[in-house]
Amino acid sequence: EADIYQTPRYLVIGTGKKITLECSQTMGHDKMYWYQQDPGMELHLIHYSYGVNSTEKGDLSSESTVSRIRTEHFPLTLESARPSHTSQYLCASSERGSSGNTIYFGEGSWLTVV
Amino acid sequence: RKEVEQDPGPFNVPEGATVAFNCTYSNSASQSFFWYRQDCRKEPKLLMSVYSSGNEDGRFTAQLNRASQYISLLIRDSKLSDSATYLCVAFYGGSQGNLIFGKGTKLSVKP
Repeated sequence: EADIYQTPRYLVIGTGKKITLECSQTMGHDKMYWYQQDPGMELHLIHYSYGVNSTEKGDLSSESTVSRIRTEHFPLTLESARPSHTSQYLCASSERGSSGNTIYFGEGSWLTVV
Repeated sequence: RKEVEQDPGPFNVPEGATVAFNCTYSNSASQSFFWYRQDCRKEPKLLMSVYSSGNEDGRFTAQLNRASQYISLLIRDSKLSDSATYLCVAFYGGSQGNLIFGKGTKLSVKP
């Protein structure tokens, strides 16, 4: 089983609120990711990190921001939530290997903005 | 063109059927390949890695054809519990590389 945890699992918030989705992994992985996925749709990479103090934007433009101050922690923040941000957010991690090690996903955070 | 393309699906098959999923990748520098399984409203989980020589895990067989840039997954004797979306994944770029996910193919196994 993967040791990667996301909180909150489910959240309903009002428009304009600030929200931080937490993600922690205890596997010592260097690489961490945030994906956005609507029900029945494909995964979209929105942020990733190669290690501490490294953050990169993914393929899908996102108004969210991330930080990587500690290896095990990769929170995602929305400064002002909008209904268009309603989605599932999946955090993931992998080892920083040259052969593309297995990526492990958290259980996801379901965000609804009303 | 998407970097990783899969059969659009959905595949609706009876129990016991054999079903094959195909996946093509556009980046010839891709180094590693995987199949992930995602159940409805759950996170993706690794099903199996794909090796150049082909590999088998019980009822599941994965094959890679680098010349054609093609990956396949064969499921024999399908079970109701195999119903899920199957994601093809390619990795390239070395230690700074990234994983590219396909859109996924939905499988529904009926009694």
